[in-house]
Amino acid sequence: EDKVVQSPLSLVVHEGDTVTLNCSYEVTNFRSLLWYKQEKKAPTFLFMLTSSGIEKKSGRLSSILDKKELFSILNITATQTGDSAVYLCVFMAGGTSYGKLTFGQGTILTVHP
Amino acid sequence: NAGVTQTPKFQVLKTGQSMTLQCAQDMNHNSMYWYRQDPGMGLRLIYYSASEGTTDKGEVPNGYNVSRLNKREFSLRLESAAPSQTSVYFCASSKDRGRSPLHFGNGTRLTVT
Repeated sequence: EDKVVQSPLSLVVHEGDTVTLNCSYEVTNFRSLLWYKQEKKAPTFLFMLTSSGIEKKSGRLSSILDKKELFSILNITATQTGDSAVYLCVFMAGGTSYGKLTFGQGTILTVHP
Repeated sequence: NAGVTQTPKFQVLKTGQSMTLQCAQDMNHNSMYWYRQDPGMGLRLIYYSASEGTTDKGEVPNGYNVSRLNKREFSLRLESAAPSQTSVYFCASSKDRGRSPLHFGNGTRLTVT
């Protein structure tokens, strides 16, 4: 069974800190890995990673994938209170389970002023 | 841009009642999905429609039916609501299943008493 494990499960920091969220996976047919941010409502898409070693960046957020070691990280620099949310790591399958998504349990990030 | 629009935002049903959750997207996406999110269970796929005219079961289809009315609209029907269907329901769409990220609506909070 495909598995996506995120760590830490929760994290409390102060504004201005840098955080690294981890996602490791054990899957049979890797296609892509996605990161989402979920505040009180809908998960919001952040990044989609398909190739190893290529960093994707959007403002203060960046993410990279290591397909050999089967993990991804999401970095947030100079955190703000608006970064407080649940961050979801999601594996997208290929092969016979093409398109199937497996969600990690999420990391709850709390940023204090 | 509206993105993915779900109605209603909140609903309370009595056991045995029926209702339809509506979803529409204006991004010209081919694929649409219905998920439910429960505490401790993460997001679970109920049904999806990879393209107009097709629908397929996800992980937890029992008690639900869907209709892909046209390319824009994908509805979820509960024929005889049960307390176990109390959940937050998210509709999502993607350009193509398995190749592009999902974009989620803001959710419907359903309570069945």
